[in-house]
Amino acid sequence: QSALTQPRSVSGSPGQSVTISCTGTSSDVGYYNYVSWYQLHPGKAPKLMIYDVSKRPSGVPDRFSGSKSDNTASLTISGLQAEDEADYYCCSYAGTYTSRVFGGGTKLTVL
Amino acid sequence: QVQLVQSGAEVKKPGASVKVSCKASGYTFTNYYMPWVRQAPGQGLEWMGIINPSTGSTSYAQKFQGRVTMTRDTSTSTVYMELSSLRSEDTAVYYCARGSFYGDADYWGQGTLVTVSS
Repeated sequence: QSALTQPRSVSGSPGQSVTISCTGTSSDVGYYNYVSWYQLHPGKAPKLMIYDVSKRPSGVPDRFSGSKSDNTASLTISGLQAEDEADYYCCSYAGTYTSRVFGGGTKLTVL
Repeated sequence: QVQLVQSGAEVKKPGASVKVSCKASGYTFTNYYMPWVRQAPGQGLEWMGIINPSTGSTSYAQKFQGRVTMTRDTSTSTVYMELSSLRSEDTAVYYCARGSFYGDADYWGQGTLVTVSS
């Protein structure tokens, strides 16, 4: 199973918005509404930011939002803050026998 | 509060096996699936598989089929991940998590560093 495709890096200034894309296929992202997004700070465990394409877990700021169009899911972070600087990974369900697949990760730099 | 506490770091020789434990507390153990994910140094997250603690059923990523075994002990609310035939490329931090069948995981263990070196 190939990894989902994410940009290697994105950047933005404090207060701006950035969008991270996650491109899969009609067998994963395009077929199922089970895309999740994780935030990773160095040396720390992943943190769930979005699940089921656009749902936010309790405690995640509403500055974080998720969406999907065809085979591409997106994570948008509005009102960028310094603490948003981290790596972000998408993950999609891909069917029972294919399991789940991660994207390659995107490094977000807050300028 | 929900806690997932993993076993400590391991150093293994190529060809050996490693078994990592993950003890859950603060919630009903059998109500949530538990995936295992790893991150090699400088690399991204990699899905290894998932276990249903209620039934013991498992689903493994194709890459690890035949090398990974996930089990659970409901009496101690602990899940285990055993990886065999270790090679240097298996050097990574291994995470257990609590989540749904579809892959989203809301609580994570602290990670276990497994180093494979001769």
